[in-house]
Amino acid sequence: GAVVSQHPSRVICKSGTSVKIECRSLDFQATTMFWYRQFPKQSLMLMATSNEGSKATYEQGVEKDKFLINHASLTLSTLTVTSAHPEDSSFYICSARWGEGNQPQHFGDGTRLSIL
Amino acid sequence: AQSVTQLDSHVSVSEGTPVLLRCNYSSSYSPSLFWYVQHPNKGLQLLLKYTSAATLVKGINGFEAEFKKSETSFHLTKPSAHMSDAAEYFCVVSEMSYDKVIFGPGTSLSVIP
Repeated sequence: GAVVSQHPSRVICKSGTSVKIECRSLDFQATTMFWYRQFPKQSLMLMATSNEGSKATYEQGVEKDKFLINHASLTLSTLTVTSAHPEDSSFYICSARWGEGNQPQHFGDGTRLSIL
Repeated sequence: AQSVTQLDSHVSVSEGTPVLLRCNYSSSYSPSLFWYVQHPNKGLQLLLKYTSAATLVKGINGFEAEFKKSETSFHLTKPSAHMSDAAEYFCVVSEMSYDKVIFGPGTSLSVIP
């Protein structure tokens, strides 16, 4: 149980392109979804937290106009990297959680984004 | 304020020998604690969780962890390492009333044949 599907697993595109990443909870309803960025050999860095039907809460230093998050249903959240540039290249991971903060997050397999 | 310390950035063990990955935390209230494993270019998989029930928690793949409040520790152990255990391990702390979780810096586990 508690499966989270993240697509695509890898994206390679030109600078200036916008890229959308999907995160779906397949067998549970996610009250909260999270988006992380992970640099090589480092821990996860939280970018934003989103609850279904409300605006995402972005962490300090994360540009909300650059990283658009939509959480339209209890099973789907999307992250759109707008006008991506090489410095946006990274490993992006989503997670989903049912219930309060003491419940575990369940993670997708991540998306490797490479901007040329 | 919450924080998580993983004392070893890298641990190397021989196949078949015990594994010990250390985690210490600080939390203002009664925390929930988790261990996750990440294989290369993959997301994180939940190994086990502590949420104020039994202090010795058993997880998947033979891992277990013991919550010691007096030592503010939640160390991860496994009696016998397998090659497939080689991965990055993250200790995570959260609180019921707090939406975010705090990740430790991670410990890279190598298993030598």
